[in-house]
Amino acid sequence: GAVVSQHPSRVICKSGTSVKIECRSLDFQATTMFWYRQFPKKSLMLMATSNEGSKATYEQGVEKDKFLINHASLTLSTLTVTSAHPEDSSFYICSARDELYYEQYFGPGTRLTVT
Amino acid sequence: KNQVEQSPQSLIILEGKNCTLQCNYTVSPFSNLRWYKQDTGRGPVSLTIMTFSENTKSNGRYTATLDADTKQSSLHITASQLSDSASYICVVSAGGNLIFGKGTKLSVKP
Repeated sequence: GAVVSQHPSRVICKSGTSVKIECRSLDFQATTMFWYRQFPKKSLMLMATSNEGSKATYEQGVEKDKFLINHASLTLSTLTVTSAHPEDSSFYICSARDELYYEQYFGPGTRLTVT
Repeated sequence: KNQVEQSPQSLIILEGKNCTLQCNYTVSPFSNLRWYKQDTGRGPVSLTIMTFSENTKSNGRYTATLDADTKQSSLHITASQLSDSASYICVVSAGGNLIFGKGTKLSVKP
């Protein structure tokens, strides 16, 4: 099946620094990618929809200036957590939509810990 | 309001036993229903996807059912293995938007 990768798989950073997470679709082109956040024992929460070549669409309550999304190519979307705080510590998961089969594949997730 | 509710919240079974997880939804417009398996610290992996006209679909030891009239789905796991321990998430697609259930945490004990 289609594969979506994320890098890094886990990252620890200090408060106030910025962290970039990459999401790649490995064997298909994805016009649309999604970024989710998951707290322990909770379901995935959609943060934003990333559209190739245009601005991302953010869900209500998600700060677009804090969570910068760039979708510069059909196989890569990045999420940058700016000026990270400990409360940003979470599991971030991306997914990519295969437009040919209208299927959505999830990445393996990135564990962010802000100290 | 689009909602997906799963039960039970958690379940413990012995290795080799069968189990059934439930999913009820109120989603409109309905596109399809998916079951995902999520291991701890990993992203969800698709098990089955069913459209309105399908009422059962199997993937190895996993069998999903869908009753579009009652808006219910179930995931049946046969002859459980230790590696089945994970969260199982029911997701309903509503016109391109995915509505997630909170998941059922399954623990398979030896």
